[in-house]
Amino acid sequence: GENVEQHPSTLSVQEGDSAVIKCTYSDSASNYFPWYKQELGKGPQLIIDIRSNVGEKKDQRIAVTLNKTAKHFSLHITETQPEDSAVYFCAASIWWEYGNKLVFGAGTILRVKS
Amino acid sequence: DGGITQSPKYLFRKEGQNVTLSCEQNLNHDAMYWYRQDPGQGLRLIYYSQIVNDFQKGDIAEGYSVSREKKESFPLTVTSAQKNPTAFYLCASSTGQGAYEQYFGPGTRLTVT
Repeated sequence: GENVEQHPSTLSVQEGDSAVIKCTYSDSASNYFPWYKQELGKGPQLIIDIRSNVGEKKDQRIAVTLNKTAKHFSLHITETQPEDSAVYFCAASIWWEYGNKLVFGAGTILRVKS
Repeated sequence: DGGITQSPKYLFRKEGQNVTLSCEQNLNHDAMYWYRQDPGQGLRLIYYSQIVNDFQKGDIAEGYSVSREKKESFPLTVTSAQKNPTAFYLCASSTGQGAYEQYFGPGTRLTVT
């Protein structure tokens, strides 16, 4: 069935270093790929997204890359800061009988050590 | 959390009781969603509503029910038939279906003992 795999499950980096989180998806018809950041006890917040007609998108220190052939996409955070510590979720749009829905990865706990 | 409110933040219930979780949005969004979040797992879709008076079961709808009488409101009832109801419940909304950005509320943590 539809599936989104996310790696790694936990990631520790030193402040100022880069962090990369990777996701793979199974439905070749997927065309929308958002990334969410969730802080403890709060709802997920959309931080960046990409559609299938582009290969890369940047927003300040955050970038997302998409490889449709390989069916994987990645989140890149540069110059990490302690406030980047959170759980990050990727998702992919999946076609179901009522249209499109989002299927989420299991999440990555990012710890930025100062 | 922009424009989506969920109440209460924490909810405690005894086993065998039904409980209703509130979700309200003032974003004028057509679509609303309920997700369940468990430790170490991604968000799983419980129910989805594209328009008023219409909703569809998601991947884990058993033991849950919803209503959509108003555009702004999409309450979720966790019934006694839900075998493992303790979880973090998240409501979301979007302007359209699926491929559009979804915005989440702050969540309700339900504990059933």
